[in-house]
Amino acid sequence: SAVISQKPSRDICQRGTSLTIQCQVDSQVTMMFWYRQQPGQSLTLIATANQGSEATYESGFVIDKFPISRPNLTFSTLTVSNMSPEDSSIYLCSVDLVMETQYFGPGTRLLVL
Amino acid sequence: GESVGLHLPTLSVQEGDNSIINCAYSNSASDYFIWYKQESGKGPQFIIDIRSNMDKRQGQRVTVLLNKTVKHLSLQIAATQPGDSAVYFCAENSGYSTLTFGKGTMLLVSP
Repeated sequence: SAVISQKPSRDICQRGTSLTIQCQVDSQVTMMFWYRQQPGQSLTLIATANQGSEATYESGFVIDKFPISRPNLTFSTLTVSNMSPEDSSIYLCSVDLVMETQYFGPGTRLLVL
Repeated sequence: GESVGLHLPTLSVQEGDNSIINCAYSNSASDYFIWYKQESGKGPQFIIDIRSNMDKRQGQRVTVLLNKTVKHLSLQIAATQPGDSAVYFCAENSGYSTLTFGKGTMLLVSP
């Protein structure tokens, strides 16, 4: 397994502002993933981030709202832009260490007022 | 802390009982399945996986059963302990290394 960390662990933000979430893994991985988990709900994939290419977004998620960076094989960021209270969620990153098996970070708990 | 299981189906068991958590998946082409455990305030933790060429796979105190005919997956936990209390998610791989998660089940274990 690997150690996956996320920063910040939680934040309270004002509507209209943006927050950048960092995901760091202690080994090189090909694919990193970003998920959203709304209160009391399951996980929904936002996008897949591969190093050296543009992120691939799932239906309902757009780059202008959730820009993603993947500068190297151990790090990625997700920005939640122009936030509204509906963006209050847990944001999770995951990595595939073994083909198809994803391991998750601890999550970032975001509350937008 | 926050609860990830506010609107989820709940299974309540006594400590020492066996627990069975069920999951229906949607894509008959899915060939890989994973069970995750999510405790309050934490990210999902890998428990066990199974490929579509298998019907059953056992781990430590856990067993996953796969019925491809009815697209059904189950997780059996033997001798359930209070530390097993969490939300459990099944996930299916439908291709391109992406996972689709089920709705989740909250397991509550009473001492």
